[in-house]
Amino acid sequence: EPEVTQTPSHQVTQMGQEVILRCVPISNHLYFYWYRQILGQKVEFLVSFYNNEISEKSEIFDDQFSVERPDGSNFTLKIRSTKLEDSAMYFCASSERLLNTEAFFGQGTRLTVV
Amino acid sequence: TQLLEQSPQFLSIQEGENLTVYCNSSSVFSSLQWYRQEPGEGPVLLVTVVTGGEVKKLKRLTFQFGDARKDSSLHITAAQPGDTGLYLCAGWGGNMLTFGGGTRLMVKP
Repeated sequence: EPEVTQTPSHQVTQMGQEVILRCVPISNHLYFYWYRQILGQKVEFLVSFYNNEISEKSEIFDDQFSVERPDGSNFTLKIRSTKLEDSAMYFCASSERLLNTEAFFGQGTRLTVV
Repeated sequence: TQLLEQSPQFLSIQEGENLTVYCNSSSVFSSLQWYRQEPGEGPVLLVTVVTGGEVKKLKRLTFQFGDARKDSSLHITAAQPGDTGLYLCAGWGGNMLTFGGGTRLMVKP
């Protein structure tokens, strides 16, 4: 069964360092998303991406964040200068189409900023 | 910003009991979905409701979409320990899927 895969499963980084979280969406999907979930809190939307462009982003997704689809299969989230409050589980998701459709989520990357 | 409020946040019941979880918003959504999330994993879709007033059944789970497409409920009949988990409602609007805060359900044997 096709699945969204994320690497690494756990990343520990020093405050101020750059991190890149990687995702391989399901191959025939066209829409890609990043969400984060701070421990014990809700799943929060960060950004949606379609046709090599950001189609929607939340207030959380400030200038420290960027997304890229560098090679047609990977979808990455970069945090330029990590802060302690960036510590969270980051989920990548993909969907075949937009709206009223199933979003398939990866297993997540646990980011710990120390 | 579209917000989804879930209630209750926590629910602990005995095996065999029935329960209902609610998902409410002041916004209209083109559809509402229910996901289940296990510890350390991403959410997994249970159901999508699209039409106002729609009712869908998935074995012992019954999902309803409000007539005004602003709210939804999840009813579980004769809960079992295997139903234990985090249940999330989510709504499609704009170019994003917005999640509620979740209901953490524990079913004790």
